Amino acid sequence: NAGVTQTPKFRILKIGQSMTLQCTQDMNHNYMYWYRQDPGMGLKLIYYSVGAGITDKGEVPNGYNVSRSTTEDFPLRLELAAPSQTSVYFCASVAGPAYNEQFFGPGTRLTVL
Amino acid sequence: GQQLNQSPQSMFIQEGEDVSMNCTSSSIFNTWLWYKQDPGEGPVLLIALYKAGELTSNGRLTAQFGITRKDSFLNISASIPSDVGIYFCAGEDYKLSFGAGTTVTVRA
Repeated sequence: NAGVTQTPKFRILKIGQSMTLQCTQDMNHNYMYWYRQDPGMGLKLIYYSVGAGITDKGEVPNGYNVSRSTTEDFPLRLELAAPSQTSVYFCASVAGPAYNEQFFGPGTRLTVL
Repeated sequence: GQQLNQSPQSMFIQEGEDVSMNCTSSSIFNTWLWYKQDPGEGPVLLIALYKAGELTSNGRLTAQFGITRKDSFLNISASIPSDVGIYFCAGEDYKLSFGAGTTVTVRA
């Protein structure tokens, strides 16, 4: 098992550009999440999904979109990058509502200039 | 999300020391979680607590779910150098809310 993988590891974007952050898990987990982590702060939930075809907004969804066409993949899309989206993005997955099997990916460090 | 207050913000440890950190909230949570994050890595779940009053250990780590369901603490006994990192608490009420983290570094 590779666990949760994220690509790319680093990216620099110009204001107004778009990109997709990829997240894949090979544990057949139903629940997947996208968080952002700003310096000195805890993680904030952007979007989450409880299964293929089902997504919902988290705490800070503005400027982002997600899709969940398969159990394995949960990409995060930035359409018009802004400096406020400079952050480290983490994807996570868990088998079910209990959190004792939650796994995080290694993160994507995004800078918007 | 809910506001979680995690303290201390940072601490220095000396090898062999016992250290403690805590998390408080104005809201009730169903679950409390403690994570550790090493530089350049994602958080790793250390302990999950599911019931008020629950006391759970994982090696040298012990965490408790407060009776009021609004707080939790994490103790690390007999610190070792690899304990350095950032420790996060998180509370769950259908979604996770995270504290800002406690940064643990080794005292020179």
